[in-house]
Amino acid sequence: EAQVTQNPRYLITVTGKKLTVTCSQNMNHEYMSWYRQDPGLGLRQIYYSMNVEVTDKGDVPEGYKVSRKEKRNFPLILESPSPNQTSLYFCASSTIRTGNQPQHFGDGTRLSIL
Amino acid sequence: QQPVQSPQAVILREGEDAVINCSSSKALYSVHWYRQKHGEAPVFLMILLKGGEQKGHDKISASFNEKKQQSSLYLTASQLSYSGTYFCGTEWKYGGSQGNLIFGKGTKLSVKP
Repeated sequence: EAQVTQNPRYLITVTGKKLTVTCSQNMNHEYMSWYRQDPGLGLRQIYYSMNVEVTDKGDVPEGYKVSRKEKRNFPLILESPSPNQTSLYFCASSTIRTGNQPQHFGDGTRLSIL
Repeated sequence: QQPVQSPQAVILREGEDAVINCSSSKALYSVHWYRQKHGEAPVFLMILLKGGEQKGHDKISASFNEKKQQSSLYLTASQLSYSGTYFCGTEWKYGGSQGNLIFGKGTKLSVKP
């Protein structure tokens, strides 16, 4: 089944404790992206990647890191999480080879940072 | 830069119609529309590519005015299942970011019996 898998789905942690949210897709998509969703602010882009080893900042990259060493994986790293990073996070992927294709979203990761 | 969606929220009775607008300050290559139920992942509705193009999805259709950098989503004869938050995602025409989507803040649609 074609899917985008995020882990964990839920996480409660404390300020300053490094964490990684994994994202994996099995559709051989070139493009992957991370968004955070907060009430009233919609989906704000954190980082995106057009292909392996190519990443770019979105609108809200501060406090986050990403890497794209393999095509299928695009982990989101919070080196020193803070309470203002408490949010619902979505990973998405799509193909850009054929153009104009929908984005496929993971089920989301709800992070609470105390 | 996020596209601007309006209205922010709308409440309908079953069977009523609604229009959701999406406006960008940048020239657009395409506009995507998604619907999200509370706490779930956004679900793809449709993509609009060319200026003036209208696409339909059941009783949900959309148009894209490339010149005005705007898109509108039309929901006719609304059903309870249409409730959710609707997002437009814009793909900019220039700047080497083709394929990348920037989403608006969403429009919350509530359909009442």
